Amino acid sequence: DGGITQSPKYLFRKEGQNVTLSCEQNLNHDAMYWYRQDPGQGLRLIYYSQIVNDFQKGDIAEGYSVSREKKESFPLTVTSAQKNPTAFYLCASMKQGEVDTQYFGPGTRLTVL
Amino acid sequence: AQSVSQHNHHVILSEAASLELGCNYSYGGTVNLFWYVQYPGQHLQLLLKYFSGDPLVKGIKGFEAEFIKSKFSFNLRKPSVQWSDTAEYFCAVKTLYNAGNMLTFGGGTRLMVKP
Repeated sequence: DGGITQSPKYLFRKEGQNVTLSCEQNLNHDAMYWYRQDPGQGLRLIYYSQIVNDFQKGDIAEGYSVSREKKESFPLTVTSAQKNPTAFYLCASMKQGEVDTQYFGPGTRLTVL
Repeated sequence: AQSVSQHNHHVILSEAASLELGCNYSYGGTVNLFWYVQYPGQHLQLLLKYFSGDPLVKGIKGFEAEFIKSKFSFNLRKPSVQWSDTAEYFCAVKTLYNAGNMLTFGGGTRLMVKP
């Protein structure tokens, strides 16, 4: 059953701690994306990767880091430098090609206490 | 940089009412356009998309959207909504010369359909 999985579904962390969110896809998609969703602001792009071992900053990359060591995995680390980390985080993937679309995972809700 | 505006943040309708959700974007070049829906507790999923050709696009669950290039708009419509259409709807734009195939999303419209 192909798809995108994100874990955990809910995550609580204390202020000042780094936390890593998992994103895995078995769709054989080349590109992967991380978005942050806040009420009334839609989705904003944090980082994206078009190919293994390469990634690019999105619109709001400050305070976040990523890695892309395997095609199927694109973990996101929320660092202590992120000023307002409490949010809903969505991972997406896409097969490269002009007419293709992004497919989304179920999301991780991060709450920093 | 392009931006996407969804002017209605919250919409409340009764069942069988007609729906139109507005979406405007700021980019002047060639674009691909999308509407995504997020049902309560579910994944964000694609409703419909426009790449080229007929500007009236039909999607799943009876939704359609019309691309009006002169108005930079891609409004979503449904003639008769159902309670199960209660969800948050997002318009998104991808510019053609976007190396990362990145999407720019609008702020979303939360639709509540009263039974």
